[in-house]
Amino acid sequence: SAVISQKPSRDICQRGTSLTIQCQVDSQVTMMFWYRQQPGQSLTLIATANQGSEATYESGFVIDKFPISRPNLTFSTLTVSNMSPEDSSIYLCSVRLRTDNTEAFFGQGTRLTVV
Amino acid sequence: DAKTTQPTSMDCAEGRAANLPCNHSTISGNEYVYWYRQIHSQGPQYIIHGLKNNETNEMASLIITEDRKSSTLILPHATLRDTAVYYCIVVVTGANSKLTFGKGITLSVRP
Repeated sequence: SAVISQKPSRDICQRGTSLTIQCQVDSQVTMMFWYRQQPGQSLTLIATANQGSEATYESGFVIDKFPISRPNLTFSTLTVSNMSPEDSSIYLCSVRLRTDNTEAFFGQGTRLTVV
Repeated sequence: DAKTTQPTSMDCAEGRAANLPCNHSTISGNEYVYWYRQIHSQGPQYIIHGLKNNETNEMASLIITEDRKSSTLILPHATLRDTAVYYCIVVVTGANSKLTFGKGITLSVRP
């Protein structure tokens, strides 16, 4: 298993500002992902955080809005840029330990409110 | 397009078995069935997965029909702490596989 720590756990931000969310894993992991969960909705995959290279974004998500870093195998950040109230969501970090298995572990999430 | 279809919600009595159905009629031969759950205000939690054989672990049992077009997650003795949204996901296992979450089924366990 993997223990995932996300910081901050929640924040209230002004529109037009940016917030960087950190994801720290207690062991080296193969794959890291970022999800968004809008109020009352299911999870939507934002991107795959690739170690040492640019993240792979899903349709509807772009690097300028959600820049992602992954400097090593245990850490990643997601920035929500130029925020608007529509960005109010829970952002979740997820990891997989193996490529032959789709068992994933999730952080507790960062609850973001944009005012 | 959704690969799985689940009822919106169901409830069961505490101590009884909870049987959560999932339809995946277009499943491919190399796609696995995964179940996750999300308890309120927490991140999703892996429960179990299977390809074609029935599977059991300490949390639940997974029953997959012979034609693999549907499956049932069984919580043998539901407790109040099992109240959550349960997601049934079909996915090919591999380096490029990604979990796509549908709306899931909300299970409410009543005292």
